[in-house]
Amino acid sequence: DSGVTQTPKHLITATGQRVTLRCSPRSGDLSVYWYQQSLDQGLQFLIQYYNGEERAKGNILERFSAQQFPDLHSELNLSSLELGDSALYFCASSRRLWGGGPADTQYFGPGTRLTVL
Amino acid sequence: KNQVEQSPQSLIILEGKNCTLQCNYTVSPFSNLRWYKQDTGRGPVSLTIMTFSENTKSNGRYTATLDADTKQSSLHITASQLSDSASYICVVLSGGQAGTALIFGKGTTLSVSS
Repeated sequence: DSGVTQTPKHLITATGQRVTLRCSPRSGDLSVYWYQQSLDQGLQFLIQYYNGEERAKGNILERFSAQQFPDLHSELNLSSLELGDSALYFCASSRRLWGGGPADTQYFGPGTRLTVL
Repeated sequence: KNQVEQSPQSLIILEGKNCTLQCNYTVSPFSNLRWYKQDTGRGPVSLTIMTFSENTKSNGRYTATLDADTKQSSLHITASQLSDSASYICVVLSGGQAGTALIFGKGTTLSVSS
């Protein structure tokens, strides 16, 4: 158990719909990251927040948005869903940012499996 | 173009044997290189993080090496166990004025058989 929690574990929805994925980081971790993993694309970095502020952006679509709240939990909002958005969505957290020390180690949650029908 | 290439794509070894996975990268500017282990359907687990100045880093039976001159890294697994069966992903962090970028390799799938 990494200490990072994600809800829900599974989500099945229809094209065009909007969903919200939730992540609670490990106690004391200020940084939250979102990743998407699909069968054909592998693991892709979406976005990162540190202490409530957006710090880095990856291959995140305009239909997707995220935020980190004062209690440090984060939500990833996916809208106008398409079949191709079906994937595993992982959240990770770390104490600091992108350095090379132990405090920069990212701990991944168990993921949310999204299926768009 | 920033790229991370891993080899082999897949590997089958007998329990107790050693193996080495390779990661070649063309990423600039380089910040650090990370190896992750991912069991099927589960979140990745960090094995090592190496910066430019580090040549070797160990985590139990896992030893990562980094040659910043040739832009190559390897992950050596000693005395493999059935639980080592997983995907191993090499990730290079690039950090510069343009911002932070994460470049992922496609992973090596390791199967350890008894």
